Amino acid sequence: GEDVEQSLFLSVREGDSSVINCTYTDSSSTYLYWYKQEPGAGLQLLTYIFSNMDMKQDQRLTVLLNKKDKHLSLRIADTQTGDSAIYFCAEVSGNTPLVFGKGTRLSVIA
Amino acid sequence: DAGVIQSPRHEVTEMGQEVTLRCKPISGHNSLFWYRQTMMRGLELLIYFNNNVPIDDSGMPEDRFSAKMPNASFSTLKIQPSEPRDSAVYFCASILGGPGTGELFFGEGSRLTVL
Repeated sequence: GEDVEQSLFLSVREGDSSVINCTYTDSSSTYLYWYKQEPGAGLQLLTYIFSNMDMKQDQRLTVLLNKKDKHLSLRIADTQTGDSAIYFCAEVSGNTPLVFGKGTRLSVIA
Repeated sequence: DAGVIQSPRHEVTEMGQEVTLRCKPISGHNSLFWYRQTMMRGLELLIYFNNNVPIDDSGMPEDRFSAKMPNASFSTLKIQPSEPRDSAVYFCASILGGPGTGELFFGEGSRLTVL
């Protein structure tokens, strides 16, 4: 079945850029998503990219998609302590539920 | 809209007891999902409904787990009898259209501890 892999932990200093990486296996993915989970809360959609795009920028967030390598990344510029959370990569193809990775726990050191 | 509402937020119970988790999806959303989150296994899809009909329950761990959606505004996930390995955070989520369309909205989760 489809699989989404992420590294589990990332630690960065406040003000630096964070890059969270994700790989997926489903070559027919139509949309790829980044969700954010803050402590004690549910997941919230952060951003998404359509599979025919290479890049999407939204304020401090940049999503890069390498469809050939099935690699997705999320870059957070000027990382703040409020960005500390778990970030989930997810993909979908057709009318089937999202497949989530295990999540990357981002810790921002002041 | 109040978003997806789950109850209880926290539940502590003893092994062998019945547990019922509840979910109210966002009004007008057609699909509802139950997920389980643990450190070891991450976020697992247990079951999802479309227009109140269970579509895929292949993620339900075993017969001790059951889920119902009697109407468009309410769903339950029941565990009977509960076991310590069921300890996890259970999330309900809903989406406006079919399962792969648009943004998935999550509730705040029900943290279950089985002693």
